[in-house]
Amino acid sequence: DIVMTQSPDSLAVSLGERATINCKSSQSVLYSSNNKNFLAWFQQKPGQPPKLLIYWASARESGVPDRFSGSGSATDFTLTINNVQADDVAVYYCQQYYSVFYTFGQGTKLEIK
Amino acid sequence: QVQLVQSGTEVKEPGASVKVSCKASGYTFTAYAMHWVRQAPGQRLEWMGWINSGNANPTYSQKFQGRATITWDTSATTVYMELSSLTSEDTAVYYCARDISIIQGVFEYWGQGTLLIVSS
Repeated sequence: DIVMTQSPDSLAVSLGERATINCKSSQSVLYSSNNKNFLAWFQQKPGQPPKLLIYWASARESGVPDRFSGSGSATDFTLTINNVQADDVAVYYCQQYYSVFYTFGQGTKLEIK
Repeated sequence: QVQLVQSGTEVKEPGASVKVSCKASGYTFTAYAMHWVRQAPGQRLEWMGWINSGNANPTYSQKFQGRATITWDTSATTVYMELSSLTSEDTAVYYCARDISIIQGVFEYWGQGTLLIVSS
């Protein structure tokens, strides 16, 4: 299975500042035939199911604020949250769908400083 | 709007089986794959398997092969996930999640989750 590793495990950011979450895959999730990265990001708040934020590494899901952006390729990816709001407090997960045995990162907990 | 409504909390003894349902509405049921994902306390999300909308064939994570069974009833627009030989390690919240397409692996819509407690 492809192992997804996120860093940091947790971070505290002041309101209005930028948060950066990294995700590394144990093998490339870039599909050469279409040049797409099979990588998604989710936000999960306490007591709620995960919410899809980003797929294809950088495509924002409908309704997701443009403060959220995804970047990276092959094995190294980043989720950036600009102008962090109180409502952004959550655990964020990356997930690969390159291999049919889909796997998630361990999660990064975002808190407000 | 797309809605996935799951069955309620289950409490089972070790060795038993559980069957969780996921009632879908708001879209063409057979046009999208459906996945099952679980989350044990303090653990990362874990994909269990999916059912193919085209031929209703399920595919399972190796970890759950032989112990999980995913089925669906198109007339009831409901997907089921049965897990057998339960142990305390199966205590978790179980989610159904609809794919963004026929089968892509992007979990676009999620059910509210079903808590399974395995305890003697």
